[in-house]
Amino acid sequence: QSVLTQPPSVSAAPGQKVTISCSGSSSNIGNNYVSWYQHLPGTAPRLLIYENDKRPSGIPDRFSGSKSGTSATLGITGLQTGDEADYYCGTWDRSLSAGVFGGGTQLTVL
Amino acid sequence: QLQLQESGPGLVKPSETLSLTCTVSGGSINSTNYYWGLIRQPPGKGLEWIGSIYYTGSIYYSPSLESRVTMSVDTSKNQFSLKLSSVTAADTAVYYCARHHFGYFYGSGSYYNQLDYWGQGTLVTVSS
Repeated sequence: QSVLTQPPSVSAAPGQKVTISCSGSSSNIGNNYVSWYQHLPGTAPRLLIYENDKRPSGIPDRFSGSKSGTSATLGITGLQTGDEADYYCGTWDRSLSAGVFGGGTQLTVL
Repeated sequence: QLQLQESGPGLVKPSETLSLTCTVSGGSINSTNYYWGLIRQPPGKGLEWIGSIYYTGSIYYSPSLESRVTMSVDTSKNQFSLKLSSVTAADTAVYYCARHHFGYFYGSGSYYNQLDYWGQGTLVTVSS
């Protein structure tokens, strides 16, 4: 059971937009910054979003992040088949004094 | 370009100790504000944070693994390491090293926490 809650799967057609939610509590998302990762099988996870809504160099602006209260959202526009991957949210939990991840969301581009 | 490389035995027997070393190249492990983290992914499951260590030796461990985990850093070799004791089949996973940008913004009163460079991962199987 993950500390952060994500939907197990989402899907959308190529060119469309999709959002992935990440729900937590005041000890984690509510009072700390959120990051998002893309993970394709057999590869290293890639940082997509940090500090809620910032993109590292090289990450397309099709990827966006936001946070409100104890929830965060990853948005992906202009979906491509290459976006099919597992997506994870992550943050720090003050109560645990530990890093925590969501359970991951599998994105299917139909 | 910063690179991390995991190394260690791919097979460990139950009840023994899993040992893993992460070598950092293209940058210094002595970097300010950067911890060095270990994350794993069991087959068919999600990512699990194991722990992170600063070059000074400051450490955070996952509460669920804390009783069995020891991390250390060797600044002379630009390496950090993991030891996980009393392993079982549940410890079978792909183990990743990562640079962990971690700290506290006093202005916002919030922790920032992102893993910005990752190794390719190494599969460790626990089996007799």
